[in-house]
Order: sequence, then structure tokens, then C-alpha cells
Amino acid sequence: EVRLLESGGGLVQPGGSLRLSCAASGLTFTNYAMSWVRQAPGEGLEWVSTITAHSDSTWYADSVKGRFTISRDNSKNTLYLQMSNLRVGDTALYYCAKHFCNGAGCDRFDYWGQGTQVTVSS
Amino acid sequence: DIQMTQSPSTLSASVGDRVTITCRASQTISRRLAWYQQEPGKAPKLLISGDSTLESGVPSRFSGSGSGTEFTLTISSLQPDDFATYYCQQYSSYPFTFGPGTKVDIK
Repeated sequence: EVRLLESGGGLVQPGGSLRLSCAASGLTFTNYAMSWVRQAPGEGLEWVSTITAHSDSTWYADSVKGRFTISRDNSKNTLYLQMSNLRVGDTALYYCAKHFCNGAGCDRFDYWGQGTQVTVSS
Repeated sequence: DIQMTQSPSTLSASVGDRVTITCRASQTISRRLAWYQQEPGKAPKLLISGDSTLESGVPSRFSGSGSGTEFTLTISSLQPDDFATYYCQQYSSYPFTFGPGTKVDIK
């Protein structure tokens, strides 16, 4: 059974930093691209960032580009999101999501974690 | 960036009703679209993707159709577990974008 467990969320002041982690199990982690998706309170889903299976490529939403860095440690089956210069608008539940991948590439999100809450407030 | 819209934003329906949700993309995305269901307090769940492929374990009352820029999610006979918010998402190009969601609530 695929399991994704996020951690590292919390309360941080504007301008602060936080590192989120997502521990994956029940899958061959090195076969899959992974992403972060966030959801502000009462709002919809917003894709944040994606990293390929072997960290060859990364993509970021414009709203976080230059402030967030996605990375992964395949030896630990763990995905990370380093967040810096945090803003009140970054307050959200952050989900880790696994991409469905086949010979044609990686696309939709077929497994999600339960999320970790990030609150940016003074 | 590809913008996604959904209609309606809220839908009130009764158990047994046939329900249809529409999703539109600002440019063609072929069939590179997924539908997710999110129940309150839970993570999204993938329902349907691509050429209307139903994910394993998803009831057959759910179906998807469309290509290009217009897509629909249909629930043939609404069940109590189906009262939730539904999102479409394009995976044709980055940034992957979601629709704003359609909340299906009890009439």
C-alpha cells in the first residue's frame, strides 16, 4: 500500500523559513516524479512544485519561484520542500502527491498524503 | 498558463439524481485531464483521468468525457458518499492547474 506522510509544518512569522518532508512507503520511490500541492483555508487546490524521479528537472508555480526549493533523497524515500521568505499568503495545508508514471511520462496525481499545515502569521 | 474553469461552483442535488459537472480549459489539452474528489477534512482522491479511465475502486456510476477544451464528470445516480467537492486538473503542461472546484451538497 502506498503511503505518503508529510511533516514539518507549523507556525512561522512572515519572512521565516520552514522545511517540509514527505516520507514515502509502499512504492519504488525512484520510479516516480513527486509534487507538492497546497490548499489555503476554504480554498481550492494549487499546484506548487514538481521534481522528476532522479531530480533531473524541477518546476515551480510563479507564486513560489525563487522562495521555495523542492528536493528529494531517494536513499531515504523522502521528498522535501524548503520554504523561505514565507508570506501570509503561503498559509495552507501542504500535500505531498505521487505522480502516475508510465512509459509515456508522468502526469496526474494518483496518491496523496494527508497534508501538513503551514501557518504564516505574526 | 492554462486556466481551468468549472461549472457550476455549487450544485444541490438529492440521492439518486444524475449530476453533471463541466470543466473547461483555456486552450486545448487533448485528453490530459483528471478529476479528483475531496471530502471535507480529507486529501483529494483521483477518480478519472486521460481517456476517461476510472481509477481502481472508483464506482462505475462515475464517468468522464470530453477532449480538447471541454470536459464533463457525470455521476449517474448520486449516493450519500458522493457529497463532496470535485476538482478538474490539466496535466498537459506546467504549471499544472486545477479548476476552482464544484461543491456537491444535499438538496
